[in-house]
Amino acid sequence: GALVYQYPRRTICKSGTSMRMECQAVGFQATSVAWYRQSPQKTFELIALSTVNSAIKYEQNFTQEKFPISHPNLSFSSMTVLNAYLEDRGLYLCGARDWGSSYEQYFGPGTRLTVL
Amino acid sequence: GEQVEQLPSILRVQEGSSASINCTYENSASNYFPWYKQEPGENPKLIIDIRSNMERKQTQGLIVLLDKKAKRFSLHITDTQPGDSAMYFCAASYSNSGTYQRFGTGTKLQVVP
Repeated sequence: GALVYQYPRRTICKSGTSMRMECQAVGFQATSVAWYRQSPQKTFELIALSTVNSAIKYEQNFTQEKFPISHPNLSFSSMTVLNAYLEDRGLYLCGARDWGSSYEQYFGPGTRLTVL
Repeated sequence: GEQVEQLPSILRVQEGSSASINCTYENSASNYFPWYKQEPGENPKLIIDIRSNMERKQTQGLIVLLDKKAKRFSLHITDTQPGDSAMYFCAASYSNSGTYQRFGTGTKLQVVP
């Protein structure tokens, strides 16, 4: 079956430092990976969409300079939160699309970021 | 536009009654509409979904309806139980070189005895 792993599941970082999180697709080819953030008591905001062999598309309130993403192959993506501050805390989800599916995204369990 | 509106934001129902959550979307190219349930401190779990070639889908006390013309879809929980209390999110999926979802703003469902 198709599975998506995320690492770490929980992490704490000091304000002003950076945190890298990873997304691993198992059992399918992740041609596109979308990263989302859920701030406390909020909904899920799309940060960026990464498609292999295409430029990464960032949403209006998010930039590559703040959330650089790497998507080197069909099974792995990583995103870094640079210079994290309190407003960056929340649950970060990656959703990967299967090459053979035009509908579903498979979501990982998320990385919960706490900023002190 | 690609916004997904979700109402109500809070829904309180008596145990055993039905609960309905409504969402509207803007992009007519959306072709997949999942619903997620999120318990406190947990990540969201897919509970039911509907594709654009369907108008109705039912499974285990959950019904989803899709009106493509009105760009509206809804979740109906029949015979609610205290365990149904949670946050519920609708989403509309877009495929444009990649696939991503736009989430609704969420509904906090409270089922009271």
